[in-house]
Amino acid sequence: GAVVSQHPSRVICKSGTSVKIECRSLDFQATTMFWYRQFPKQSLMLMATSNEGSKATYEQGVEKDKFLINHASLTLSTLTVTSAHPEDSSFYICSASLPSSGELFFGEGSRLTVL
Amino acid sequence: GNSVTQMEGPVTLSEEAFLTINCTYTATGYPSLFWYVQYPGEGLQLLLKATKADDKGSNKGFEATYRKETTSFHLEKGSVQVSDSAVYFCALRPNQAGTALIFGKGTTLSVSS
Repeated sequence: GAVVSQHPSRVICKSGTSVKIECRSLDFQATTMFWYRQFPKQSLMLMATSNEGSKATYEQGVEKDKFLINHASLTLSTLTVTSAHPEDSSFYICSASLPSSGELFFGEGSRLTVL
Repeated sequence: GNSVTQMEGPVTLSEEAFLTINCTYTATGYPSLFWYVQYPGEGLQLLLKATKADDKGSNKGFEATYRKETTSFHLEKGSVQVSDSAVYFCALRPNQAGTALIFGKGTTLSVSS
């Protein structure tokens, strides 16, 4: 099956710094990728839809200036958490849509801890 | 709007027990329904899916039937194994191209030998 890879899998940063998380589709081109956030013992909440070559579409309540999403190529989308604070600590998961079938494949997730 | 409700966990079973994890949904139109599994330390994996009413998805001994009349997609397995211990997510995808999945909160299953 198709493979989606996220990097880094774990990151710890100081409050006020920015962190970039990468999501790559390794063996297919994905025009659409999705970013989710998962709180402990809670569901995956959709943050934004990332379309290659255009601005991301953010869900209601998600700060687009804080969570910068860039989908510069058909195999890479990045999520940058700017000026991170402890409340941004979470598990971030991306998924990419296989163009031929629309099936979604998920990355392994990235756990962000802000001190 | 669209939403998914699944039973609270954790679910604790002995090996070879019967498993049911309930899932109901609210959606406009005719969504596709999914079960995903997340093993410890790993990413989400598609377990099974159904795209229309009365379809039955099945994989690795798990099965779920798309019931439009009860808006349900309950996950079942006749005999669980220790290796089935994981978090299970029910999800729906609206029947529109390019849309994201909407997930339930997840149910943790723990199987002991």
